[in-house]
Amino acid sequence: DAGVTQSPTHLIKTRGQHVTLRCSPISGHKSVSWYQQVLGQGPQFIFQYYEKEERGRGNFPDRFSARQFPNYSSELNVNALLLGDSALYLCASSGTGFEKLFFGSGTQLSVL
Amino acid sequence: EDQVTQSPEALRLQEGESSSLNCSYTVSGLRGLFWYRQDPGKGPEFLFTLYSAGEEKEKERLKATLTKKESFLHITAPKPEDSATYLCAVQPSGGYQKVTFGTGTKLQVIP
Repeated sequence: DAGVTQSPTHLIKTRGQHVTLRCSPISGHKSVSWYQQVLGQGPQFIFQYYEKEERGRGNFPDRFSARQFPNYSSELNVNALLLGDSALYLCASSGTGFEKLFFGSGTQLSVL
Repeated sequence: EDQVTQSPEALRLQEGESSSLNCSYTVSGLRGLFWYRQDPGKGPEFLFTLYSAGEEKEKERLKATLTKKESFLHITAPKPEDSATYLCAVQPSGGYQKVTFGTGTKLQVIP
């Protein structure tokens, strides 16, 4: 069975640009969460979506937005990129949204 | 706000040398405490979930325990393939799955 898949794996952008990251959850999983992991730190919660509705949002500015599609895949959008947005962006899926998370390998975003 | 503190930040062990990793937490009502393993360039991989004080779980050379304020990950006779960063995380009881992670313990096992 396929795990959580994320695309692209690596991305280089310049300040002020916009980026869209994509995630496909494990088949049958209805919950998708997004995390930001800066080098040397633990993952930090950005959003959770369940059944296409936003369930929770972490302490991130409005430049960050996300959505979940009818097939449960998800997109994370970041506008007006800053140097500090450089990080590994992780997508995780779970069945009901309350149990263990299954993570993808992430998208490494570099903002120059 | 939920907080997770892990210690030590880094740990270097000889193969076969047992040790423990610590995770201290504060959370407004604990739904679950998780341990994950993360290899370089990859996403975290689930190891254990603990739900209540006194609970223990084992998997191969790893054993996780939970008290009301701490969790320990005991590594018995580690092997080089156990080298990774071990992350502790807490999920509060509530309406959604906002999991708070610690910064991790980077474990290196020397042959």
